[in-house]
Amino acid sequence: GESVGLHLPTLSVQEGDNSIINCAYSNSASDYFIWYKQESGKGPQFIIDIRSNMDKRQGQRVTVLLNKTVKHLSLQIAATQPGDSAVYFCAENPTGRRALTFGSGTRLQVQP
Amino acid sequence: EPEVTQTPSHQVTQMGQEVILRCVPISNHLYFYWYRQILGQKVEFLVSFYNNEISEKSEIFDDQFSVERPDGSNFTLKIRSTKLEDSAMYFCASSKTSGGVETQYFGPGTRLLVL
Repeated sequence: GESVGLHLPTLSVQEGDNSIINCAYSNSASDYFIWYKQESGKGPQFIIDIRSNMDKRQGQRVTVLLNKTVKHLSLQIAATQPGDSAVYFCAENPTGRRALTFGSGTRLQVQP
Repeated sequence: EPEVTQTPSHQVTQMGQEVILRCVPISNHLYFYWYRQILGQKVEFLVSFYNNEISEKSEIFDDQFSVERPDGSNFTLKIRSTKLEDSAMYFCASSKTSGGVETQYFGPGTRLLVL
């Protein structure tokens, strides 16, 4: 069945370091992928997205990489700040569907 | 910047009671969604709604659930007879267009506790 999974439940980094959060997906029919950030008690906040016809997309301090060959997605955060501390979810959207399938989340802890 | 809003932020109810969760999607958005997140678990899709009808629903969205757009701004989720396992955060989301896939923007959620 389809699934979106995350390799690490918790990632701890030093302030100023770069962070890399990984995600594996199994549904080869997915053509749209999104990273969301969720702070405690809040709803998922959109960070960046990527479509399957791309392998890299950059935003402000964030980069998403998509490797369709191995069904792998990553989120890179440059110069991680304390405000980046949150749970990060990848989500996929299979072709023809509106429903997002979320991964189980990675907690990013930024140490000062 | 426009946001999805939800009320109430917290709801406590007795098992078997009906609850209505309310959402105001972003004003020029056409697709609306409900998701839920049981404590400590991942976000799960419930239902999507477009042009005043359900366009997609998950296995979770059984006959106890219903959605409605009662007016031009509100979007509601009704749980007819709540069960203990309905306790969760419920998130409303909206997206802009009907053609192709667009980013879904989420509201802050309603925390539902069924006793």
